[in-house]
Amino acid sequence: EVQLVESGGGLVQPGGSLRLSCAASGFTFSSYEMNWVRQAPGKGLEWVSYISSSGSTIYYADSVKGRFTISRDNAKNSLYLQMNSLRAEDTAVYYCARASGPPVIVDYWGQGTLVTVSS
Amino acid sequence: IQLTQSPSSLSASVGDRVTITCRASQGISSYLAWYQQKPGKAPKLLIYAASTLQSGVPSRFSGSGSGTDFTLTISSLQPEDFATYYCQQLNSYPPITFGQGTRLEIK
Repeated sequence: EVQLVESGGGLVQPGGSLRLSCAASGFTFSSYEMNWVRQAPGKGLEWVSYISSSGSTIYYADSVKGRFTISRDNAKNSLYLQMNSLRAEDTAVYYCARASGPPVIVDYWGQGTLVTVSS
Repeated sequence: IQLTQSPSSLSASVGDRVTITCRASQGISSYLAWYQQKPGKAPKLLIYAASTLQSGVPSRFSGSGSGTDFTLTISSLQPEDFATYYCQQLNSYPPITFGQGTRLEIK
């Protein structure tokens, strides 16, 4: 059974840092592209970042570019999101999500971890 | 690429046929998916490639369209279908773009 389990969320002050983790199981993690998607309270879904299966190709949304860093450790079946210089508008539930294909589909999502940026 | 869903919210009754529309700002071929999200839960993939039903999804859900105009249809609403629905484009993946969502409520 495919499972994605996020951790690392919590309350952080503006300007602070947080590192999210996503533990994958039930599939060959190193073969899949991964994404982070977030959802602010009561709002819609916003794509945050992408990483290729090898980790060699990375993309970010403009809203987080220069502040967030995505990475993965295929030996540990884990995906990460290092978040620096956090702002109030980064407050959201953060989901890791697996991409499959072709055709590309985002088929499995974790349960999410809540990040709250507030003083 | 921007996605615009309509309506933003919808009230319907059990047994109703419901259609939600998603319009892309430019052509995306058939690279469109639909998700269902319930409060406090992760999105669940319903349909991909515009019209392909994800494994395990009831056949009352169907999708159609290509290019810029797409629809999600629920043929006969069930109580468990009341949720928020999102369209998602993967033509220019990455990035991923989502519609703003359609909230389906019980009338």
